[in-house]
Amino acid sequence: IAGITQAPTSQILAAGRRMTLRCTQDMRHNAMYWYRQDLGLGLRLIHYSNTAGTTGKGEVPDGYSVSRANTDDFPLTLASAVPSQTSVYFCASSDSGQNTEAFFGQGTRLTVV
Amino acid sequence: AQSVAQPEDQVNVAEGNPLTVKCTYSVSGNPYLFWYVQYPNRGLQFLLKYITGDNLVKGSYGFEAEFNKSQTSFHLKKPSALVSDSALYFCAVRSRGSARQLTFGSGTQLTVLP
Repeated sequence: IAGITQAPTSQILAAGRRMTLRCTQDMRHNAMYWYRQDLGLGLRLIHYSNTAGTTGKGEVPDGYSVSRANTDDFPLTLASAVPSQTSVYFCASSDSGQNTEAFFGQGTRLTVV
Repeated sequence: AQSVAQPEDQVNVAEGNPLTVKCTYSVSGNPYLFWYVQYPNRGLQFLLKYITGDNLVKGSYGFEAEFNKSQTSFHLKKPSALVSDSALYFCAVRSRGSARQLTFGSGTQLTVLP
């Protein structure tokens, strides 16, 4: 089934450790996004990529980095995790047109202790 | 900058009654507007979108939304609510500029009571 796959589904991580959240899509969408979801705050954009080879900063980029080596993969890295990065992380992708909807993965629940 | 406001954290409605989930937006120029639904421990699912044209947009599962430019609103509606409609609903906006990012509201928890 076509869609977005995120891994891991959940993770408990010690503060200070490095972690990469994986995201793969098979829809050949140009644009990909990483959001974090926190209670009462909705979804906030961390980083995005409009096409392979390019990335941009969203609303809350500090402490996170991304890369887009190819169309399908868009990993999110926490270089040194802190407790405030405890959240549910969603990867999404969309086609090139601005009027197109985004498709979301199932999410990664990350707890930093 | 673009923004979305969902003024109600929680909406309760009896099964069979009409439901409305409110959304207002702020964006430069004309917007693209979207509604998503999230069930527990799941990702967001697309419901409907407004691009241009008819102000009443029909989407999945019997939902519809009305675009009102003068009030900068895009309220989600359904004529007859089902218990299975209970979920978290998000409104989102994208400006018609170079950016493709969606900006989301804080979400509204809809509970349909049997």
